[in-house]
Amino acid sequence: QKEVEQDPGPLSVPEGAIVSLNCTYSNSAFQYFMWYRQYSRKGPELLMYTYSSGNKEDGRFTAQVDKSSKYISLFIRDSQPSDSATYLCAMSASAGNNRKLIWGLGTSLAVNP
Amino acid sequence: EAGVAQSPRYKIIEKRQSVAFWCNPISGHATLYWYQQILGQGPKLLIQFQNNGVVDDSQLPKDRFSAERLKGVDSTLKIQPAKLEDSAVYLCASSPGSGSYNEQFFGPGTRLTVL
Repeated sequence: QKEVEQDPGPLSVPEGAIVSLNCTYSNSAFQYFMWYRQYSRKGPELLMYTYSSGNKEDGRFTAQVDKSSKYISLFIRDSQPSDSATYLCAMSASAGNNRKLIWGLGTSLAVNP
Repeated sequence: EAGVAQSPRYKIIEKRQSVAFWCNPISGHATLYWYQQILGQGPKLLIQFQNNGVVDDSQLPKDRFSAERLKGVDSTLKIQPAKLEDSAVYLCASSPGSGSYNEQFFGPGTRLTVL
């Protein structure tokens, strides 16, 4: 079993839809959870960062962490064609410079106008 | 603020040839990472530098891959000899190297095709 599982999709939705992206993990020591967005032929860029459990909202994006279920989610409201990208979850047990990120496979999202 | 720079952007070589990639991190960032991203997968850490020193190279295939970070700034990653399975995007990232958060900033990557 991989430490981090993420459905690669692809996921195709109409513009304006609510998108739900998910990752599950097996290592209960993970405390730091990140969502990265990667456009085609670009490097990943950090979208959301959450420490421990709970929700975090930033504009149309909401990140949720449920440590009891070892499950994290990213919700995109009012999705736009510009949201079409691959979304990667990443997580780590430690903070700072010694942190080693464990990555999901990424979910490919297409938002159709 | 300039981002992480990488070159070349694309490289096509034949198996058993050698290749080198270059990375210039964000100014002042102490930590530099090289990742390998195979199509349809998440990034895999190859090596992490803190200034000049290696922090983690546990997943670097040392029989064919080597990396160095000159004067704690620029870095090069070399593959010699290349294999077909080395076809991937090689991503360089940098981070400030301090603080509990320590966000990683990625360059655009070098897409390597080994024929």
